[in-house]
Amino acid sequence: GAGVSQSPSNKVTEKGKDVELRCDPISGHTALYWYRQSLGQGLEFLIYFQGNSAPDKSGLPSDRFSAERTGGSVSTLTIQRTQQEDSAVYLCASSPGPITDTQYFGPGTRLTVL
Amino acid sequence: AQKVTQAQTEISVVEKEDVTLDCVYETRDTTYYLFWYKQPPSGELVFLIRRNSFDEQNEISGRYSWNFQKSTSSFNFTITASQVVDSAVYFCALSEAIKSSGDKLTFGTGTRLAVRP
Repeated sequence: GAGVSQSPSNKVTEKGKDVELRCDPISGHTALYWYRQSLGQGLEFLIYFQGNSAPDKSGLPSDRFSAERTGGSVSTLTIQRTQQEDSAVYLCASSPGPITDTQYFGPGTRLTVL
Repeated sequence: AQKVTQAQTEISVVEKEDVTLDCVYETRDTTYYLFWYKQPPSGELVFLIRRNSFDEQNEISGRYSWNFQKSTSSFNFTITASQVVDSAVYFCALSEAIKSSGDKLTFGTGTRLAVRP
């Protein structure tokens, strides 16, 4: 079946602009995670969704970052007023359930803020 | 707080050599899960294995094997008879399986493996 998909694959934006990153999880997966991979910070957790709710937003680096999930499926990660330090690869993962299930990752969105 | 340490930043081997990637973790929980993921040059993270804290049996899958030792908080990964296609960055990760956080993963910094023909 289809894996996790993310769009766009690459995004170049100017400092101060808003960006939206999209994640389509594997069909039927109730848990969805966003991570960020950057040279300086490695792979870090951003937010976790179970269904449409986000029990854990502890990894969001600032209030410029927000995410939502609708219909228990597609999720969007929004970064407002982008800064150069936001440049990274944003990875989405999904799993069948919230606990003890393996996460399957999408190909990521490479964000470059000029 | 949990932590995963992969002390080896880069390893270079010649094809057919065996190689072991080290992973040491820290957690206060008695129930946790350990993972290895592979990130080839294409960039996508590929799941390799999941091990729960109550199962210390070593696992073998083809040329891959994993050694989990709670006494030393280690979960090492060995590739036997390495091949060029094994060249990638390998990440060890830990999940404490807390209901409110799902399976939030804490990753190590990764080990870049280069297998030369």
